[in-house]
Amino acid sequence: AQSVTQLDSQVPVFEEAPVELRCNYSSSVSVYLFWYVQYPNQGLQLLLKYLSGSTLVKGINGFEAEFNKSQTSFHLRKPSVHISDTAEYFCAVSFSGGYNKLIFGAGTRLAVHP
Amino acid sequence: GAGVSQSPRYKVAKRGQDVALRCDPISGHVSLFWYQQALGQGPEFLTYFQNEAQLDKSGLPSDRFFAERPEGSVSTLKIQRTQQEDSAVYLCASSSHSGRNRGDTQYFGPGTRLTVL
Repeated sequence: AQSVTQLDSQVPVFEEAPVELRCNYSSSVSVYLFWYVQYPNQGLQLLLKYLSGSTLVKGINGFEAEFNKSQTSFHLRKPSVHISDTAEYFCAVSFSGGYNKLIFGAGTRLAVHP
Repeated sequence: GAGVSQSPRYKVAKRGQDVALRCDPISGHVSLFWYQQALGQGPEFLTYFQNEAQLDKSGLPSDRFFAERPEGSVSTLKIQRTQQEDSAVYLCASSSHSGRNRGDTQYFGPGTRLTVL
């Protein structure tokens, strides 16, 4: 069965420090990979996605992620975080073929402190 | 509209009541998804529509859950005889593409927070 694991439920970090949010997936078929952000009382907003090609993907708000097929990972990074990055971050996968049903991880709460 | 809208934003129901949650997708979007997000968890797939056809309802947790999209635009998720375990945020998402998955972006609404007392 396909699954997504986000290894850290909470990540505290100081403002302007770098951050990495980890995501691993399990699948026997080709996947597309996504990172979404959820601010309080709002819906999910797409940060970036990997479909094919270059394994380094750049997204909005200065975030980037790298697809590593051998390690089945898709970690999210930002070199310098801001207070406004405090939110819940979700990694998700969908499977090529069929339709774009998303399977989400449990989420990582990023808390940026001044 | 500019994005996906959902109503109501908050719903409190007594156990045993029926509720109906509405989703207005982005105009022209063919695909529509419903997800359930329990407190502290990631969203979980409930059901999928392509236009008015419900192609996958494998995630609906029980026969008390029913979804429809009769004209291929607005969708309603109905929960009959609500139980406390139904308390969650219900998210709707739409995307423009149908057919074979190409990794198209899903655009999410703000969700409806359902609390069953």
